[in-house]
Amino acid sequence: DAGVIQSPRHEVTEMGQEVTLRCKPISGHNSLFWYRQTMMRGLELLIYFNNNVPIDDSGMPEDRFSAKMPNASFSTLKIQPSEPRDSAVYFCASSPRPTRELNTEAFFGQGTRLTVV
Amino acid sequence: TQLLEQSPQFLSIQEGENLTVYCNSSSVFSSLQWYRQEPGEGPVLLVTVVTGGEVKKLKRLTFQFGDARKDSSLHITAAQPGDTGLYLCAGARRGSGGSNYKLTFGKGTLLTVNP
Repeated sequence: DAGVIQSPRHEVTEMGQEVTLRCKPISGHNSLFWYRQTMMRGLELLIYFNNNVPIDDSGMPEDRFSAKMPNASFSTLKIQPSEPRDSAVYFCASSPRPTRELNTEAFFGQGTRLTVV
Repeated sequence: TQLLEQSPQFLSIQEGENLTVYCNSSSVFSSLQWYRQEPGEGPVLLVTVVTGGEVKKLKRLTFQFGDARKDSSLHITAAQPGDTGLYLCAGARRGSGGSNYKLTFGKGTLLTVNP
């Protein structure tokens, strides 16, 4: 079975440009998460969805960040405008159970390495 | 401030040695998970511990959840080069809304096992 699929794997963009990261979760999974990983801050939860509905976006750093999940098989994370401090690896993860249940295992994609110059 | 502190941050050892890495917090968690991440990949779940004092074994890896559910340790016996990776702990707590669990990660321990 295919795991979580993220695209692109690498993205280099200039400051001020719009960046869109894409994620296809594992089929049948109920929850989807967006994380950001840096050396300084580790793995940070940005936002998560249950059944395509955003539940908690308190981790989204600024209004420049937005995430959507128009259907159960697709999600996007958009940064507009991008800044050099947004450079990081962005991970999408999905889980077979909703987040109101404990012990929900997160299955991660391979990540998108974003560099903003 | 980091909710989950992992130590050591870096660890380099020789094949065959034993090691322990730690995950500490001042907060209580409903459960704690350990993940391993290899370069260029996302984290992969190793184990989930739920009960205070719980011990789980996965081949040469032993995981323990503290009695107060605030800390955890991972012990590896006779480490092998294939154990090399970033070991992340993640604690589950209910979010501010009260009905959903949020997973918070530590920054990880980067383990290198030299042949």
